[in-house]
Amino acid sequence: KAGVTQTPRYLIKTRGQQVTLSCSPISGHRSVSWYQQTPGQGLQFLFEYFSETQRNKGNFPGRFSGRQFSNSRSEMNVSTLELGDSALYLCASSPGAGRVNTEAFFGQGTRLTVV
Amino acid sequence: AQSVTQPDIHITVSEGASLELRCNYSYGATPYLFWYVQSPGQGLQLLLKYFSGDTLVQGIKGFEAEFKRSQSSFNLRKPSVHWSDAAEYFCAATDLYNNAGNMLTFGGGTRLMVKP
Repeated sequence: KAGVTQTPRYLIKTRGQQVTLSCSPISGHRSVSWYQQTPGQGLQFLFEYFSETQRNKGNFPGRFSGRQFSNSRSEMNVSTLELGDSALYLCASSPGAGRVNTEAFFGQGTRLTVV
Repeated sequence: AQSVTQPDIHITVSEGASLELRCNYSYGATPYLFWYVQSPGQGLQLLLKYFSGDTLVQGIKGFEAEFKRSQSSFNLRKPSVHWSDAAEYFCAATDLYNNAGNMLTFGGGTRLMVKP
C-alpha cells in the first residue's frame, strides 16, 4: 500500500512569489491535513480537508489556502511568500470518518526555502 | 487553550538504558493522544496511540506509553534503548468530541541522543 506522497520534496522560491504544494493521500483515505514545521514554532496545524470541504483551520493568515479534489488529493497554496514561510510542510492522511479512524499517516514533507 | 507540553527538549541516554519521555496535556475533555517519531529530514511515524480503555498502550519498536488522567500525562517509555532510536519524538493530541477531526496539537518535541 503506497504511503502519503508529497511533491515536490524541495522548493526554493523568492519573496513575493506564490507556491503550490501537492499531497496524495493513502488510497481510500478521505481526510488530508497540513502542518507547518519550523525550528522556532514547532509543528503547527494549518488546515484539514475532508471530502473536499475544509473541516478545520489553524491560526494562519489568509495567504495560506488549500483545497481538496474529488480523488482526495490536496494542494496547499501560499501567496506573497515571506522569509518566515521557510519551513517543512507536512501532509497527513487518515480515513477521516469517525473516532476510530483518526490515526494520521504523514508524508515526508516538502522543504520550502524562501530567499 | 488546548496544549501539549514536552518538558524535556533534549535527552541523552546510553545504549541499553531505559528511557522515559514526558508529555503533559491540557484539554477540556479526555483527548486522543499520540506519540510520533521523526528522523532528520523525514516525516512523522506513529509509534502508538491512546483512545480509551487500558491506560497502558503498546506501540511499535518496543515503545509503550501510560495515560494518567490524574496527572494529565502520557509518558513514553522503552526498557532498553538502541542507537537507532536516536531521533526527535513528538507527543500530540486531538479532541474528537469537539469535531476536531485530525487537527493535532503537538508538543515541542524531545530530541533523543543515544550514547554508545
